[in-house]
Amino acid sequence: ETGVTQSPTHLIKTRGQQVTLRCSSQSGHNTVSWYQQALGQGPQFIFQYYREEENGRGNFPPRFSGLQFPNYSSELNVNALELDDSALYLCASSYTGLVSSDTQYFGPGTRLTVL
Amino acid sequence: AQSVTQLDSQVPVFEEAPVELRCNYSSSVSVYLFWYVQYPNQGLQLLLKYLSGSTLVKGINGFEAEFNKSQTSFHLRKPSVHISDTAEYFCAVSGYSSASKIIFGSGTRLSIRP
Repeated sequence: ETGVTQSPTHLIKTRGQQVTLRCSSQSGHNTVSWYQQALGQGPQFIFQYYREEENGRGNFPPRFSGLQFPNYSSELNVNALELDDSALYLCASSYTGLVSSDTQYFGPGTRLTVL
Repeated sequence: AQSVTQLDSQVPVFEEAPVELRCNYSSSVSVYLFWYVQYPNQGLQLLLKYLSGSTLVKGINGFEAEFNKSQTSFHLRKPSVHISDTAEYFCAVSGYSSASKIIFGSGTRLSIRP
C-alpha cells in the first residue's frame, strides 16, 4: 500500500505568478483534502475533492482552485501569488463510501516560497 | 463551529521526564479527536485518535491521550520522553466523516533537553 505523495518538494515563485502543486492519494482512497500551513501555525483547510467535484471549502479566495482526476490524484492551483501564500501545502487522502474511513492521511507537503 | 486550543506553544522537558501537552476543544456536535506529530521539515503523522468507547487512547511511540467530555479536553501524555520526540504536536478535531474538514490547533513545540 503506497502512501500519499506530493510534488514538488520545494518551489520558489515570484509575486503574481501561478503555481500548480500535485498530490497522489493513498491506494484505495477517493477523497483528497488540501491544507495550508503557514510558518509557526497549524494547518488550515483549503478545500476537499470527492468524485472530481469540490466537496467543501475553507476561507480561501477563488484564486485557490483545484482538480481531482479519475485516478483520484489531485492538483492545487494558486493564481496571482502573494507573499502571504508562502507556506507548506499539505495534501491528505481518505476514503468516502458505505464505510468511510475516519482518518485523513497526510503527505510530506510542498514548501512554497513567494518572493 | 468547532475550534481547538492548545494551551502551551512550547514545552521544554528533560529527557526521560514525563510530559503532558494540553488541548481543549469546542464543538456543538460530537467530534473525532486526533493528535498529529510533525517532525522538522516533514508532513503530519497520526499519533492517535479518539472515535468512541474507552476514553483512554493509546498511540504510537508510547503516547496516550485521555478524552474528557465534561472538560472538553484531550490532553496528550508520555511517561518518559526521548530526544527523538522533539517535534511539533497538533491537536485536531473533525466531524463524523473523513469528508469533514479537520480543524487544527496552533501546535505545541516539544523540546527535549539531555
